[in-house]
Amino acid sequence: QSALTQPASVSGSPGQSITISCTGTSSDVGGYNYVSWYQQHPGKAPKLMIFDVSNRPSGVSHRFSGSKSGNTASLTISGLQAEDESDYYCISYTSSSTYVFGSGTKVTVL
Amino acid sequence: EVQLVESGGGLVQPGRSLRLSCAASGFTFDDYAMHWVRQAPGKGLEWVSGISWNSGKRGYGDSVKGRFTISRDNAKKSVYLEMNSLIPEDTALYYCARTWYGDHYMDVWGKGTTVTVSS
Repeated sequence: QSALTQPASVSGSPGQSITISCTGTSSDVGGYNYVSWYQQHPGKAPKLMIFDVSNRPSGVSHRFSGSKSGNTASLTISGLQAEDESDYYCISYTSSSTYVFGSGTKVTVL
Repeated sequence: EVQLVESGGGLVQPGRSLRLSCAASGFTFDDYAMHWVRQAPGKGLEWVSGISWNSGKRGYGDSVKGRFTISRDNAKKSVYLEMNSLIPEDTALYYCARTWYGDHYMDVWGKGTTVTVSS
């Protein structure tokens, strides 16, 4: 199972919106609405930001949103803030009843 | 407080075995599937293995299939990862995480335990 494809890095200025893509296949991202997104700060455990493509856990800022089209899921961060600078990972359930992570994206706030 | 605490990591020679443990507290352990996720130094996250609430379903990533075995003891509120035939590429921080029965996302993670495979 190959890792889902994410851009290595995305950057934006404070207040701007950025979008991180997560591309898989019809056997994972495209086949199920079971994509979730995690934020990971250096030296910390991952934190759930979005589940089931577009649902936000309580306590997560409304600035984070998720969507999916075909085999590509996306995480959008609006009103970018300095605290959003972090690594972000997508993960999808697969047709083999396993899970596969994305390659990870480093978000830089300029 | 909901908590997952991993243990059992350490330095091990290639070809040897190691058993990781993850102790859960603060929630009804039987209601959750459990996972192991690892992160090699400077690298991304990799799903290693998962086990359903009643051990009826177990899954493994391609890189560990046939070498690693996941198990759980609901009475002890613990999940384990038996790692055999270790190779240097298994060097990583190993996280334990939970998924509520029927869901497909990990909402609580431990802090991880470090495994180093080196001669």
